[in-house]
Amino acid sequence: DAMVIQNPRYQVTQFGKPVTLSCSQTLNHNVMYWYQQKSSQAPKLLFHYYDKDFNNEADTPDNFQSRRPNTSFCFLDIRSPGLGDAAMYLCATSRGSWDSPSEQYFGPGTRLTVT
Amino acid sequence: GQNIDQPTEMTATEGAIVQINCTYQTSGFNGLFWYQQHAGEAPTFLSYNVLDGLEEKGRFSSFLSRSKGYSYLLLKELQMKDSASYLCAVKDSNYQLIWGAGTKLIIKP
Repeated sequence: DAMVIQNPRYQVTQFGKPVTLSCSQTLNHNVMYWYQQKSSQAPKLLFHYYDKDFNNEADTPDNFQSRRPNTSFCFLDIRSPGLGDAAMYLCATSRGSWDSPSEQYFGPGTRLTVT
Repeated sequence: GQNIDQPTEMTATEGAIVQINCTYQTSGFNGLFWYQQHAGEAPTFLSYNVLDGLEEKGRFSSFLSRSKGYSYLLLKELQMKDSASYLCAVKDSNYQLIWGAGTKLIIKP
């Protein structure tokens, strides 16, 4: 089945220790997104890629970086995690152009704990 | 600023009908989405409205009034598995998706 896969599902890291979260998709969608979601809050868009074009949200901290080496894979790097970065990180994909109405397909998420 | 308002929590009885409201103030409008999110899981797409009126999909229906900046999600014949958060999201004039915080729906037997 075509899907969005995130690894790992649960990640524990230490304060200040870099961590990388990964996302892959078999949907062949050209748009990929990274969201941060904290408990009972709306998903917060961190980045999106339309094909290889990278778009950084204005309020995304510099501590967060992203890479998309090819259509199928996307990575989220947190250079120096703080306690406030503990959250669920969601990867999503969609088809078509940025201005198309197509819905987003989400991966299962990676729950990040910072100790 | 841009804003999506939804009730924080609602409770309903198994077998009943529930309506979850969403009001929005955004810079432009290019469609409204409803997603379902079970606790600890990712959101899954439920419905999309871009024109005024009602869209029906089985037990779930979604309504939109663009002039009022208002939508609702109607769930019929509630089942225990419908216990989840329901998120309203609007695409603004820049085609950016603005998300609400979600409405937690609790179903009681």
